[in-house]
Amino acid sequence: EPEVTQTPSHQVTQMGQEVILRCVPISNHLYFYWYRQILGQKVEFLVSFYNNEISEKSEIFDDQFSVERPDGSNFTLKIRSTKLEDSAMYFCASLAGGVVGELFFGEGSRLTVL
Amino acid sequence: KQEVTQIPAALSVPEGENLVLNCSFTDSAIYNLQWFRQDPGKGLTSLLLIQSSQREQTSGRLNASLDKSSGRSTLYIAASQPGDSATYLCAVRRPSMNTGFQKLVFGTGTRLLVSP
Repeated sequence: EPEVTQTPSHQVTQMGQEVILRCVPISNHLYFYWYRQILGQKVEFLVSFYNNEISEKSEIFDDQFSVERPDGSNFTLKIRSTKLEDSAMYFCASLAGGVVGELFFGEGSRLTVL
Repeated sequence: KQEVTQIPAALSVPEGENLVLNCSFTDSAIYNLQWFRQDPGKGLTSLLLIQSSQREQTSGRLNASLDKSSGRSTLYIAASQPGDSATYLCAVRRPSMNTGFQKLVFGTGTRLLVSP
């Protein structure tokens, strides 16, 4: 069964460092998302991406965050200068398209900022 | 703004019991609702997807219902097993206010423990 894959599964970094989280969405999907979950809190929407551009971003997704699809398969989330409060589980999701489709999530990348 | 709430926050039952998890949402303008399972420190596994035009969906021992007009969904788990222990999340899919693009809004989750 097709699945969304994310790397790394866990990354530890120092405050102020740049981090790139990688995702390989399901191959025929058109819509891509990043969500995050701070420990013990709700899963929150960060950004959606369609047709090689951001469709929507939340207030969390400030100038420190960026996304890109550098090739036909990868979808990346970059945090330029990490803060302690960026520590969270980051989930990538993809959707084939349409209002009736199902979002498929990856296993997540746990980011720990020290 | 769409708010999604799940009750109870935690539930502990003995193996074999049937149980119901509740999800409520404030804005009935949704496209669909998904139930997910999350094991500790792990990703989100989709369990059931109910379209806004549907009343229920079933998969094995799981049955999810949707009452869009009252803003409620339930997840019924029959004959619970210790392996069902996890956090269960519901999420509604609705148009985003600014762009019309769709996104999921998640509930707070119900942490379920099924003891042998």
